Amino acid sequence: KAGVTQTPRYLIKTRGQQVTLSCSPISGHRSVSWYQQTPGQGLQFLFEYFSETQRNKGNFPGRFSGRQFSNSRSEMNVSTLELGDSALYLCASSLVGTPNTEAFFGQGTRLTVV
Amino acid sequence: EDQVTQSPEALRLQEGESSSLNCSYTVSGLRGLFWYRQDPGKGPEFLFTLYSAGEEKEKERLKATLTKKESFLHITAPKPEDSATYLCAVNQAGTALIFGKGTTLSVSS
Repeated sequence: KAGVTQTPRYLIKTRGQQVTLSCSPISGHRSVSWYQQTPGQGLQFLFEYFSETQRNKGNFPGRFSGRQFSNSRSEMNVSTLELGDSALYLCASSLVGTPNTEAFFGQGTRLTVV
Repeated sequence: EDQVTQSPEALRLQEGESSSLNCSYTVSGLRGLFWYRQDPGKGPEFLFTLYSAGEEKEKERLKATLTKKESFLHITAPKPEDSATYLCAVNQAGTALIFGKGTTLSVSS
């Protein structure tokens, strides 16, 4: 059974640009959550999508957005990149989403903003 | 304010030297506590879910326990391959997972 797939694995972008990251969940999983991981702040929740609808949102500026497609694949977009957006972006999928269900993470996308 | 606090931040053990990692939480309406293992450059790997005080789960050299205020991850006779960062997360009613900052474990032979 294939795990959660995130693409690309690595990205280097310039300040002011925008970026789109992709996540393919485990087959049959309908919930996709996105997290930002930095050495100082740890793992912070961005948003969760379930059946193409945003169900939860963390405390991030509007420059961070996402969407989910009918096949449960999800994308997140960051516009007007800032140096502080450099981080590991992780996607997690689960069968029905929070609460109470196990979330399985992808390998992440390492974004570097220069 | 921190809702999930993990201690210690870093732990160095000799192979075979058992120890425990702590995760304390202050959230109300706990719907589950999760333990993950994360290796450098990789995504977190699911280990355990605990739902109620008194619950225990085991997997190889790892045993997780839960009380009303904290959870412990006990590591018995660790091996170098157990070296990783261990993350604790809680699920509060109506929200997504709230993670602690992790404990980085190093086991030397």
